[in-house]
Amino acid sequence: GAVVSQHPSRVICKSGTSVKIECRSLDFQATTMFWYRQFPKQSLMLMATSNEGSKATYEQGVEKDKFLINHASLTLSTLTVTSAHPEDSSFYICSARKQGNEAFFGQGTRLTVV
Amino acid sequence: LAKTTQPISMDSYEGQEVNITCSHNNIATNDYITWYQQFPSQGPRFIIQGYKTKVTNEVASLFIPADRKSSTLSLPRVSLSDTAVYYCLVGLTNTGNQFYFGTGTSLTVIP
Repeated sequence: GAVVSQHPSRVICKSGTSVKIECRSLDFQATTMFWYRQFPKQSLMLMATSNEGSKATYEQGVEKDKFLINHASLTLSTLTVTSAHPEDSSFYICSARKQGNEAFFGQGTRLTVV
Repeated sequence: LAKTTQPISMDSYEGQEVNITCSHNNIATNDYITWYQQFPSQGPRFIIQGYKTKVTNEVASLFIPADRKSSTLSLPRVSLSDTAVYYCLVGLTNTGNQFYFGTGTSLTVIP
């Protein structure tokens, strides 16, 4: 299957700082990437959908100025959590859509804000 | 937006076949049905995808009736390592990008 790499896998940051998470499709070009957030014992919640070269489409209730998404190339999308607070602590997962109707997921990033 | 409904949890003994059914009554004409497996603190792993009838790969089978309002993931002879959460997703059409997760089914395989 296709490989999607997410980095870092774990990050701890101080409250008020910003954190950048990278998502790369290693062996295919992804015109669309998805960003999800998952709290313990819950399902994945779609935060935004990004298409290469255009602005991301955010889901209702997700602050676009807080969660900055950049999809500058067909193999890389980044999510920046700005001015992070403890309530932003969560498991963030990216997904890249392969040509056609398949989407593959990264291994996730555990963000802890202290 | 096609919403999916799955059982919250299921238990099965090792070696048995497990069938997990997902309801998606308002599936759109172009929507595909995709199933993922997720272990704790890991990203979801693609299992199988289908549009209609039956699809089989090396790990599972997917049964989709003619009306496509439901689908069933079949896992043959499960082992302890199959204990995970299984998600049914509907979407990823040729023109659309919606790809939302439902509650998923937590499968526990018992020795």
